[in-house]
This record gives sequence, C-alpha cells and structure tokens, in this order.
Amino acid sequence: NAGVTQTPKFQVLKTGQSMTLQCAQDMNHNSMYWYRQDPGMGLRLIYYSASEGTTDKGEVPNGYNVSRLNKREFSLRLESAAPSQTSVYFCASMSLTLENEQFFGPGTRLTVL
Amino acid sequence: GEDVEQSLFLSVREGDSSVINCTYTDSSSTYLYWYKQEPGAGLQLLTYIFSNMDMKQDQRLTVLLNKKDKHLSLRIADTQTGDSAIYFCAESHGGFKTIFGAGTRLFVKA
Repeated sequence: NAGVTQTPKFQVLKTGQSMTLQCAQDMNHNSMYWYRQDPGMGLRLIYYSASEGTTDKGEVPNGYNVSRLNKREFSLRLESAAPSQTSVYFCASMSLTLENEQFFGPGTRLTVL
Repeated sequence: GEDVEQSLFLSVREGDSSVINCTYTDSSSTYLYWYKQEPGAGLQLLTYIFSNMDMKQDQRLTVLLNKKDKHLSLRIADTQTGDSAIYFCAESHGGFKTIFGAGTRLFVKA
C-alpha cells in the first residue's frame, strides 16, 4: 500500500497562475482532507470530503476549490494564485474507525511569487 | 470555537525526559491525539487517548489527560536525537473534523 500520495512535491507559481494539487489514497477511506501548514499556525483545514460525492468548507476555503473525483482521489485547485497561498499543503484521509486516525501525504511545498 | 494551544519550542538534552504540553477548549472532545512530523514529511499518529482515560503509557511515551483543566501532556522518556521533530496535539469529537494545535518543535541536543 502506498498510503496517501500527493503530486507535485514542489511547485513555484507566479501570481495569477492556476494549478491543481493531486491527492490519492489506496486505503479505501471514506473521508479526505486538504490542510495548509504555515509557520506558527499549525494545520488549518481548507476543505474536506466526508464521503464520495460530498465536499465541505473548512477554516480557510477562500481562493481554493476541490473535487472529489472518486473514492480514491481528492484534488485542490488554485484558480488565481496569490502570494498569501505560499504554504505547504497536506492531503489526508481517514476511516471512521475506533480512533479516527488521519493518514497524511508527504506534502506539496508551493511558492507563489 | 474549538481551539488547541501548545508552546512552539522545547529544547532538551539527549537522555533527559521531554514533556510537551497542550490545552484545548472543547470539553466534549472524545479523542485526544499526539501526531509527530519529521522534517520534510507529513504527520503520523504517535499515540492517542480517549477522554474517559487519565493516562496511557506506550514504551517511552506517557500521555496524561486532565479533563477538568483541559490539559494534555506527552512525556518522552530517555529522549533521543531521533525524537527531534514537531509534535502536534489534536482533538476530535469522533466525527469528521480533527482540530490541530500549532505544533511544538522539539530540539534534542547531543
């Protein structure tokens, strides 16, 4: 099992450019998440998908869109990147087991110039 | 709203014990977690405790929960240089969302 995979690992964009961050999990988990990690602010939830076919806003959704393509894949799109979106982005998945553990991908480091 | 707070840095000498503290605001939390993030990697669950427990021990790790004060701590005995990482406190009701703290960066000096 690969667990949670994310592509790309690194990306540099210019202000106004668009891009899609890809995430896939092979653990048959129902729930998937996108977080951003900024120094001193920890993890902030951007969007989540409780199950295939549903998506919901998290704490910081502005400037982002998501697609739950199928049970395995959950993508995050920046339509018009801004320097404030420079961050490390993590995708995670969770199965509603006893302890609700979240499994994280390795992250995408995004710089917007 | 729900909030999880923890100090940002902790420095210890190799072989000493490390204690990382966390406070949370949601008294209806069901699960409390400690996740570890190594450099350049995503978070991994280190240990967790149910809200009806006071203590959980797992090898070098001891988790203490004071529900009255909404205080959670993680003690790492005999800290090694390989324990250098960022440790995140987190809480959940058992639903879809988990609330993470800002993370405590642990430095272990040889």
